[in-house]
Amino acid sequence: AQKITQTQPGMFVQEKEAVTLDCTYDTSDPSYGLFWYKQPSSGEMIFLIYQGSYDQQNATEGRYSLNFQKARKSANLVISASQLGDSAMYFCAMRETAGGTSYGKLTFGQGTILTVHP
Amino acid sequence: DGGITQSPKYLFRKEGQNVTLSCEQNLNHDAMYWYRQDPGQGLRLIYYSQIVNDFQKGDIAEGYSVSREKKESFPLTVTSAQKNPTAFYLCASSMVGSVSYEQYFGPGTRLTVT
Repeated sequence: AQKITQTQPGMFVQEKEAVTLDCTYDTSDPSYGLFWYKQPSSGEMIFLIYQGSYDQQNATEGRYSLNFQKARKSANLVISASQLGDSAMYFCAMRETAGGTSYGKLTFGQGTILTVHP
Repeated sequence: DGGITQSPKYLFRKEGQNVTLSCEQNLNHDAMYWYRQDPGQGLRLIYYSQIVNDFQKGDIAEGYSVSREKKESFPLTVTSAQKNPTAFYLCASSMVGSVSYEQYFGPGTRLTVT
């Protein structure tokens, strides 16, 4: 079974508008972390935002916020005021603790390509 | 500047040859990871290491080997046993014991085997 599911292969947004990228996850581990990374065409992976499973508040980092709905096992990324430079592939990833032996390894979703139109 | 370096950026090899991809970090991180990415796909874990002289297989370790003789270095060898080695390879590191275990990535190496 997929542990991380990103159902939107591609998304389009107008510059200055907000966009939501979906991510659902599957785990039985009570302690886990959720990440969003951005991958421009150059290939580098850029960390955007992190949400821990025990965090009470939704994470925010500048124009990025994470809509964390624990009961629904979803961790959607919201980008406000989109910019042309936001055009990239976006990955959701999960770290499970697995009794403390996971060593922080991540499981990634398939990604969503975001295109920002002027 | 602290970071992760991977060299070379592009690598071309003939089928049947082993090839070693370099990964060096100066972030003083304990854990290091190797991922493979195929076009239009997510990242898949090949190997990871939390301490020197110790490493674990990830989800797709067959046809690959690693070593961790120094904290700063985690080279990946793609052997001739790897059936489809052409891919984009990313190295990452993280601080063991940090709250998030956030991973920092290198710029990647694009390997083409013909």
